[in-house]
Amino acid sequence: NAGVTQTPKFQVLKTGQSMTLQCAQDMNHNSMYWYRQDPGMGLRLIYYSASEGTTDKGEVPNGYNVSRLNKREFSLRLESAAPSQTSVYFCASSPGQNLATNEKLFFGSGTQLSVL
Amino acid sequence: KQEVTQIPAALSVPEGENLVLNCSFTDSAIYNLQWFRQDPGKGLTSLLLIQSSQREQTSGRLNASLDKSSGRSTLYIAASQPGDSATYLCAATDQAGTALIFGKGTTLSVSS
Repeated sequence: NAGVTQTPKFQVLKTGQSMTLQCAQDMNHNSMYWYRQDPGMGLRLIYYSASEGTTDKGEVPNGYNVSRLNKREFSLRLESAAPSQTSVYFCASSPGQNLATNEKLFFGSGTQLSVL
Repeated sequence: KQEVTQIPAALSVPEGENLVLNCSFTDSAIYNLQWFRQDPGKGLTSLLLIQSSQREQTSGRLNASLDKSSGRSTLYIAASQPGDSATYLCAATDQAGTALIFGKGTTLSVSS
């Protein structure tokens, strides 16, 4: 079982470039999430999607946009990359439409992004 | 706003020792608390989920407890092994149940 798949695994961008991080899950989950992980800051939520067609801002949404293309896919776009967006990005999914259903979160293996 | 703190930030123990990792959270109105393991350069793997109505959950050598009234959870690892070396993260739901709020983790090193 693939679970949650993220592409690419590594990416280097120049300041001002744009790119899209892709995430797909094959578990028929309703909720999907984008987190970033920085040294000393822990994981912080960027955006989440409770169901197909809905997205909501998390703790650190500035500089990012998301698209829930269908139930399987949830992409994260950096329109104009900045060095402050250098981080490891994780996509996650969960079966229910929110975590009140007490179901576990499943994570992808991450994308390491460097913005020069 | 939910905040999650983990102490200690790092821990080194010899193989075979029993150990406890601590997690505290500021808002007791949680739906659940989850413990994850993260190996270097890898994603997070869910270890245990404790619902707000539960006091503890067990999986093999791992036991997690939850005390909502004091805003605390502990992860107990019995008979530690070198393969347990990893970073352990604690996460609690926000009040709306829309997201998990993570602590910064405890990095565990078990020496043989």
